[in-house]
Amino acid sequence: DGGITQSPKYLFRKEGQNVTLSCEQNLNHDAMYWYRQDPGQGLRLIYYSQIVNDFQKGDIAEGYSVSREKKESFPLTVTSAQKNPTAFYLCASVPGRRSTEAFFGQGTRLTVV
Amino acid sequence: GQQVMQIPQYQHVQEGEDFTTYCNSSTTLSNIQWYKQRPGGHPVFLIQLVKSGEVKKQKRLTFQFGEAKKNSSLHITATQTTDVGTYFCAGMGGTSYGKLTFGQGTILTVHP
Repeated sequence: DGGITQSPKYLFRKEGQNVTLSCEQNLNHDAMYWYRQDPGQGLRLIYYSQIVNDFQKGDIAEGYSVSREKKESFPLTVTSAQKNPTAFYLCASVPGRRSTEAFFGQGTRLTVV
Repeated sequence: GQQVMQIPQYQHVQEGEDFTTYCNSSTTLSNIQWYKQRPGGHPVFLIQLVKSGEVKKQKRLTFQFGEAKKNSSLHITATQTTDVGTYFCAGMGGTSYGKLTFGQGTILTVHP
């Protein structure tokens, strides 16, 4: 089945630790996105990538880092510099210039303990 | 930067009543999209509008894109309990190509 997979579904992290969230898609989509969702604040864009080896900061990039070494993969690292990392993280992919419909993964719920 | 504002944040309706959510962008958009997120789930694409003044319908849902391509609305006629969820608009355009910005969402509750 084609789709976009995020792992793990739930993640617990101690304060001061970096953690990497996985996002893989086999849809052959060009663009990939990371969003953070907090109650009452909708989806806020962290980073996005239109093409391999290139990515742009979104609206709340501080404390996060990404890489796009392969078309299929767009991992997100939540660093210790992120002041309030507990949230629901959603990864999405978009086919490309002709179609901008976003397909979302199931999300990763990160809790800092 | 591009901002997309959505109102209202919450809407409670009785089953059978109509519902409307509104979306406004600070910049002209190349397109506007609408998504629905069920409780505990992830956003699912509903529709995309591209043309100025465009109106599209999906059964009881009517979507509009403003003439200036800076605002949009989603109207649901005769809501049902299955309509419960959060409705998001998302805009792509402005000066940052490929940046897909979501509104804050409208949480719809339908009372039977």
